[in-house]
Amino acid sequence: EAGVVQSPRYKIIEKKQPVAFWCNPISGHNTLYWYLQNLGQGPELLIRYENEEAVDDSQLPKDRFSAERLKGVDSTLKIQPAELGDSAVYLCASSLGVRLKDRGLEETQYFGPGTRLLVL
Amino acid sequence: GESVGLHLPTLSVQEGDNSIINCAYSNSASDYFIWYKQESGKGPQFIIDIRSNMDKRQGQRVTVLLNKTVKHLSLQIAATQPGDSAVYFCADQRTSYGKLTFGQGTILTVHP
Repeated sequence: EAGVVQSPRYKIIEKKQPVAFWCNPISGHNTLYWYLQNLGQGPELLIRYENEEAVDDSQLPKDRFSAERLKGVDSTLKIQPAELGDSAVYLCASSLGVRLKDRGLEETQYFGPGTRLLVL
Repeated sequence: GESVGLHLPTLSVQEGDNSIINCAYSNSASDYFIWYKQESGKGPQFIIDIRSNMDKRQGQRVTVLLNKTVKHLSLQIAATQPGDSAVYFCADQRTSYGKLTFGQGTILTVHP
């Protein structure tokens, strides 16, 4: 069974340029997450989708970051324009997205390999 | 709140020893907890999880202990192997909300 797929794996751009990351979640997973991971730190949530709907984008810097999941499957995360401080690993994760009675949205998130972004 | 930086806690063990990695979480409303392993250049990999109505759960060579009173989580790895060398993160979630919050990682190094 294929895991979460992300591309590209690495990206080097100059500041002020745009960049986009792509994620294909595990088949059948309704919930998709984008995380940012800085060196030496744990991942931090940027945005969470349930199907096509962005249900939590409170941590997404909306002045320069945008995301979409038009058909409820693949997703793209875009930065425009990129800044030096955006250099990090961008991780995509997915989960089944089943809200269980008495257990809420308790489910394992499976991560992709990430895209390593370097802004020069 | 968060306490993060470039200097992660480290644990160095000999192959075959048991390892214990500790984690503190801050949200008393969290009711679901997960341990992830992250190798260099890879995304976090699920190891084991535990719900708040449990205080211990065992997997293959791994055991997670949860102490809700002091908001503490630990991961025990039995007979640690060189392939276990990685950064280990705990994460907690308030299931009614869904957001997963990661703690500070611990670097585990296993010497042959």
